[in-house]
Amino acid sequence: DTGVSQNPRHKITKRGQNVTFRCDPISEHNRLYWYRQTLGQGPEFLTYFQNEAQLEKSRLLSDRFSAERPKGSFSTLEIQRTEQGDSAMYLCASSFVVSAYGYTFGSGTRLTVV
Amino acid sequence: TQLLEQSPQFLSIQEGENLTVYCNSSSVFSSLQWYRQEPGEGPVLLVTVVTGGEVKKLKRLTFQFGDARKDSSLHITAAQPGDTGLYLCAVTNAGNMLTFGGGTRLMVKP
Repeated sequence: DTGVSQNPRHKITKRGQNVTFRCDPISEHNRLYWYRQTLGQGPEFLTYFQNEAQLEKSRLLSDRFSAERPKGSFSTLEIQRTEQGDSAMYLCASSFVVSAYGYTFGSGTRLTVV
Repeated sequence: TQLLEQSPQFLSIQEGENLTVYCNSSSVFSSLQWYRQEPGEGPVLLVTVVTGGEVKKLKRLTFQFGDARKDSSLHITAAQPGDTGLYLCAVTNAGNMLTFGGGTRLMVKP
């Protein structure tokens, strides 16, 4: 297993367009998380899945954002009608249910909305 | 107000110097984690501390969890340019989800 993989690494889009990011977690991990990180800040929680069930969503996740994990494996995060304020690094992480072992993060997708 | 306050926000030092960064809160935690993040990459777990007063060492890095489990510190001895990065502390909530502090951005100049 090569760790958590995120695609694409970079995405530049025009305001108003839709974008979709993909995350492939570590296969043994049953939890998958999405975080957003703006420059100079720590990551902020967006949502997480345990297997295929989406168990929690942050207030930060407006109705333009939707995430899926259809078979409990990979996940997608879609942003509709992008705005300039959506520009950020979107990080995916996976873990076992008990996170004392920590999260394993992917390298992130950097989104720039122009 | 953030759950975890990290200080300083920025630190620029010369190679060979020692430094300490802090992670403070008014809340009590069952455990706390430290991550390091390099530009363009995701955070990487350095250590988890679980017991009040616990000290863990990772080569030149020394991590301490406060006696009351409300705060933590990271001390780096003889810093090297490879230590440059964003240092993040994080705690888990009741749902086992991580909440991060704002981070300390460290630059070590050769």
